Amino acid sequence: LAKTTQPISMDSYEGQEVNITCSHNNIATNDYITWYQQFPSQGPRFIIQGYKTKVTNEVASLFIPADRKSSTLSLPRVSLSDTAVYYCLVGDIWQAGTALIFGKGTTLSVSS
Amino acid sequence: NAGVTQTPKFQVLKTGQSMTLQCAQDMNHNSMYWYRQDPGMGLRLIYYSASEGTTDKGEVPNGYNVSRLNKREFSLRLESAAPSQTSVYFCASLLRRDTEAFFGQGTRLTVV
Repeated sequence: LAKTTQPISMDSYEGQEVNITCSHNNIATNDYITWYQQFPSQGPRFIIQGYKTKVTNEVASLFIPADRKSSTLSLPRVSLSDTAVYYCLVGDIWQAGTALIFGKGTTLSVSS
Repeated sequence: NAGVTQTPKFQVLKTGQSMTLQCAQDMNHNSMYWYRQDPGMGLRLIYYSASEGTTDKGEVPNGYNVSRLNKREFSLRLESAAPSQTSVYFCASLLRRDTEAFFGQGTRLTVV
């Protein structure tokens, strides 16, 4: 399984763009990159997933460079409600039932 | 559509007591997972099940047993609870790695 490394914590202010980078140097050819968000006392929820280049949805954007050894989750114009823990996961989508390892994640604190 | 349902939501045990945490999903997912989350920490994988009839150890399996009763249900058993097992336990299910995982609302377990 590809090991991921993220910053432990980040601080931001309302209205700013936040970029959280995840390193996954030993990512394999069939690995996808997935990001989850977790609020206190809740289970994580899916934010976005991608394989290469850029993926955008109504919540975030995911930037993946050509070598795929890192990825960046971009949250546009954050609000107080974006304060949460963000997890980066890497895994082979073709291996059914592989372990889903979350790691420590990045705690994002948004202030007014 | 209930998603992933965990029971109970809260439980207090005395050291040495046993109990089973129940998890059921109604999304016809193949893979199911049990995690624990200690205060201020990320999720750690206890056990997972790729499909009905199979289970595998995760990162922290000691002190736990699991049963994949059928495709819907995946239970976690503590045979002799210890204070170190005080935590919030989350169950999750997943169809494939290129889809999102869904989490239950968590079980807050205290062992005294």
